[in-house]
Amino acid sequence: GAVVSQHPSRVICKSGTSVKIECRSLDFQATTMFWYRQFPKQSLMLMATSNEGSKATYEQGVEKDKFLINHASLTLSTLTVTSAHPEDSSFYICSARDAWTENGYTFGSGTRLTVV
Amino acid sequence: GQNIDQPTEMTATEGAIVQINCTYQTSGFNGLFWYQQHAGEAPTFLSYNVLDGLEEKGRFSSFLSRSKGYSYLLLKELQMKDSASYLCAVRGSVSGGYNKLIFGAGTRLAVHP
Repeated sequence: GAVVSQHPSRVICKSGTSVKIECRSLDFQATTMFWYRQFPKQSLMLMATSNEGSKATYEQGVEKDKFLINHASLTLSTLTVTSAHPEDSSFYICSARDAWTENGYTFGSGTRLTVV
Repeated sequence: GQNIDQPTEMTATEGAIVQINCTYQTSGFNGLFWYQQHAGEAPTFLSYNVLDGLEEKGRFSSFLSRSKGYSYLLLKELQMKDSASYLCAVRGSVSGGYNKLIFGAGTRLAVHP
């Protein structure tokens, strides 16, 4: 079945630095990728939607200059958290639209970001 | 706006049946999904409803009433491993060519012996 590989699974960074999270679709082309953030004991909050070759669409309240999304190819989308602060510590998950899975969405395994 | 409501927590006994409800008010409707999520892991797909009625898949069933904006997930013959969060998610209207999945807050289910 369709697989989305997300890396890194865990990352610890210092406050003020930037962190890049990658999501790669394996064996299928992901024209659309969704990025979610999940705080402890809360649900997935949609941050932005990216389409290959075009600018991402951000949800209300999400700073596009802080969370940079690049979807340069049909198999790779990246989320860069710039100038990270402790409040950005969260679980970040990507999800790709695909035509192969029963429900049409394949999730990455998530990235646990801790900013110290 | 968009609003998806489900209970925060539920407890149940091993071997029993539990029903997790979800009500939604969204701008457009193009299907409702149920996911299971264990802590620190990605969600796992359980079921999908787009038409009214019951969808059964092994120990899990899901029901949808579009006119009432209501769905439930039914888990039978509960096992300890079913202890997890259950997320209700609605796919809204196509917006800009996308079908966004909007999630409810999730229901944490604890199964006891």
